[in-house]
Amino acid sequence: QLQLQESGPGLVKPSETLSLTCTVSGGSISSSSYYWGWIRQPPGKGLEWIGSIYYSGSTYYNPSLKSRVTISVDTSKNQFSLKLSSVTAADTAVYYCAGGDASVPAPPDPWGQGTLVTVSS
Amino acid sequence: EIVLTQSPGTLSLSPGERATLSCRASQSVSSSYLAWYQQKPGQAPRLLIYGASSRATGIPDRFSGSGSGTDFTLTISRLEPEDFAVYYCQQYGSSPPGTFGQGTKVEIK
Repeated sequence: QLQLQESGPGLVKPSETLSLTCTVSGGSISSSSYYWGWIRQPPGKGLEWIGSIYYSGSTYYNPSLKSRVTISVDTSKNQFSLKLSSVTAADTAVYYCAGGDASVPAPPDPWGQGTLVTVSS
Repeated sequence: EIVLTQSPGTLSLSPGERATLSCRASQSVSSSYLAWYQQKPGQAPRLLIYGASSRATGIPDRFSGSGSGTDFTLTISRLEPEDFAVYYCQQYGSSPPGTFGQGTKVEIK
């Protein structure tokens, strides 16, 4: 059974780069069966799709974040990562990683438990 | 970009009652690639429905989804105490994929 776990700093300074890692267990990160994605949720607010990456290396980013986002895969560690540059307080959120079936359009499932990242000096 | 609008914002109901949640898209959602999630405080969202009407693994049959095109509905036939939560719809078939609605809170009346 696929399981995901986010990790990374809980506090990032404004203008710096937020970096998070998602460790995948119960499946291979390099499998063509899955896509991998990131979603965030500001405190007390709704969900926002950040982006996703497929086995082929294709990436899809939320247009509102595209200029600042990079999602990549590290097959040697069975992990994928998120980098968000030039952060501001508006980027404070719980960040979730998720996986999904890549064989057909499919919603993300399962999700990690989420990690809170606060942007503050 | 497809915009999803959920209504109502809050639904106040009693256990045992029927809940009807709406999700309207700004343009047609291809092949009914519409999902519903349940989120409780401090937890990650849980997938309930995909493909507009298919229940995810382990989801009780009191949860049902319907709709196509631009209008979708999540129905909870009889509310159990554990069903009081926030519900989100998401489209995942169009580019860019993954847009969420703003959520509907189902609270105890």
